[in-house]
Amino acid sequence: QVQLQESGPGLVKPSQTLSLTCTVSGGSISSGGYYWSWIRQHPGKGLEWIGYIYYSGSTYYNPSLKSRVTISVDTSKNQFSLKLSSVTAADTAVYYCARDHGSVWGQGTTVTVSS
Amino acid sequence: DIQMTQSPSSLSASVGDRVTITCQASQDISNYLNWYQQKPGKAPKLLIYDASNLETGVPSRFSGSGSGTDFTFTISSLQPEDIATYYCQQYDNLLSFGGGTKVEIK
Repeated sequence: QVQLQESGPGLVKPSQTLSLTCTVSGGSISSGGYYWSWIRQHPGKGLEWIGYIYYSGSTYYNPSLKSRVTISVDTSKNQFSLKLSSVTAADTAVYYCARDHGSVWGQGTTVTVSS
Repeated sequence: DIQMTQSPSSLSASVGDRVTITCQASQDISNYLNWYQQKPGKAPKLLIYDASNLETGVPSRFSGSGSGTDFTFTISSLQPEDIATYYCQQYDNLLSFGGGTKVEIK
């Protein structure tokens, strides 16, 4: 059974780059033709899709975040990663990784942007 | 971008009541729609995929219908453990979510 686990700093300073990694266990990130997503949730708010990547490396981003987002995949480590540049307090959120549109989710990790 | 308009934003119902949530897409998305349940402090859980298909292990009191731009999610008999926020999501063109519906017990 596939499981996902987010990891990364819980605190990021304004203007810096937020970096998170999602480790996939119980299955290969390269098999099944899946895409791998990042989704976030601001405190007390709804869900916002950030972007996704296919195992081949093709990426698709939310147009509202596209200029600041990079998603990459490391098939050798069975991981995919999120980088969000020039963060502000508005990027404070719980960040989730997920398989496809959301058939499997990580538990989420809280990232706070503060000096 | 495809906008998803979900209503109501919150509702209060009694145990055993039938609960209905609607989701409208800003353009035709065929049946590329999912419904999720999210409980406080937890990741969302997929309940319905492809608009009307029940995810394995999900109780049959949950159901979904619709295609094109108009979709409905129903809980046939509300149970205390169904207290949560429910989201629709389209995946016809990239991904986007509805604003959510918070379901409470009256």
